[in-house]
Amino acid sequence: DIQMTQSPSSLSASVGDRVTITCRASQSINTYLNWYQQRPGKAPQLLIYAVSNLKSGVPSRFSGSGSRADFTLTISSLQPEDLATYYCQQSYRTPRTFGQGTKVEI
Amino acid sequence: QVQLQESGPGLVKPSETLSLTCTVTGDSISSYYWTWIRQPPGKGLEWIGHIFNSVTPDYNPSLKSRVTISVDSSKNQFSLKLTSVTAADTAVYYCARRVVAATNWFDPWGQGTLVIVSS
Repeated sequence: DIQMTQSPSSLSASVGDRVTITCRASQSINTYLNWYQQRPGKAPQLLIYAVSNLKSGVPSRFSGSGSRADFTLTISSLQPEDLATYYCQQSYRTPRTFGQGTKVEI
Repeated sequence: QVQLQESGPGLVKPSETLSLTCTVTGDSISSYYWTWIRQPPGKGLEWIGHIFNSVTPDYNPSLKSRVTISVDSSKNQFSLKLTSVTAADTAVYYCARRVVAATNWFDPWGQGTLVIVSS
């Protein structure tokens, strides 16, 4: 299985801060990397697909970058509604696997 | 706009079979892959498997011996069966659409349904 490792596991930041979450795959996964946001008590929602493509309707303060095995999710200016846990996911090989999540607190 | 809704018993006894259904509205179930994902309380996400039409499903090897995913096109539904459940199978179960393009991703997701395994 491809292991996905996120860091940090949690972070606390202030409104307006720039937040960066990293995700490392145990092998190269090309551009087969997606990000999901899970607000408290809710189902995960797609945020970014194929490394850097924002789902329609996702605020432009979110961005993704990276290649091969190292990827980054950036929130350029943290907002109160960004309180959530963020998961990366590889769609390169079966079984599909997720990172352990990064909990973002405001 | 496609929507997914999970349904099924919220409580299952140990050693019995967990059965869930996902009803798809707003799109034909024949057009996409459909996926089950679960999340134990307070933990991360685990991919269970996916299916496209009646093509042989793909399962997580860690669950393969106990899982069956099937499609009922006439009802625009797909289902999950997990046999011989234990407390470790207690989780919120989500259904989701797998979108396949240059790469692939899960979108949208159902709201999830909590299944507790307990006697």
